[in-house]
Amino acid sequence: DSGVTQTPKHLITATGQRVTLRCSPRSGDLSVYWYQQSLDQGLQFLIQYYNGEERAKGNILERFSAQQFPDLHSELNLSSLELGDSALYFCASSGTSGLYNEQFFGPGTRLTVL
Amino acid sequence: GQQVMQIPQYQHVQEGEDFTTYCNSSTTLSNIQWYKQRPGGHPVFLIQLVKSGEVKKQKRLTFQFGEAKKNSSLHITATQTTDVGTYFCPSNFGNEKLTFGTGTRLTIIP
Repeated sequence: DSGVTQTPKHLITATGQRVTLRCSPRSGDLSVYWYQQSLDQGLQFLIQYYNGEERAKGNILERFSAQQFPDLHSELNLSSLELGDSALYFCASSGTSGLYNEQFFGPGTRLTVL
Repeated sequence: GQQVMQIPQYQHVQEGEDFTTYCNSSTTLSNIQWYKQRPGGHPVFLIQLVKSGEVKKQKRLTFQFGEAKKNSSLHITATQTTDVGTYFCPSNFGNEKLTFGTGTRLTIIP
């Protein structure tokens, strides 16, 4: 158990809908990262937050947004969902921000768009 | 964009055989990390290499960082069924996001 929690575990929805994925980092970790994993694309970095502020951005679509709240939990919002958004979404956390921090991953949320 | 190329993409080995996966970059890396993801699981941090020529061992796993800091390898001696999974070698490329890629998927034939 990494100490990172994600809810829900599974999510099934229809195209065009909007969903929110939630992540609680390990106690004391200030950085939260979001990743998308699909079979053909591997593990893709979406976005990082550090202590409430956006720190780094990856290949995140404009239909997707995220935020980190004062209690350090984070939410990833996915809107106007398309079939291709079906994937496993991971949240990870690390103690600080920087180049040399190991990341602790949550169990993931499996999103299925029908 | 910058990324670390990992080979092979897939590897099937007989239980007890050795296994090696390689990561290569065209640019010098500040560091490289290794993660393992079991089937149905999430990535788990294994190790980080920072120094040129660094070699680290964890039981049957040996991690190396090249002298030029452009490549790295993970070698597993005498594979066991518990080694099944996908191995990733993300790097930072001087910024704070880790680029993971598709990794090497290892399957073990009992």
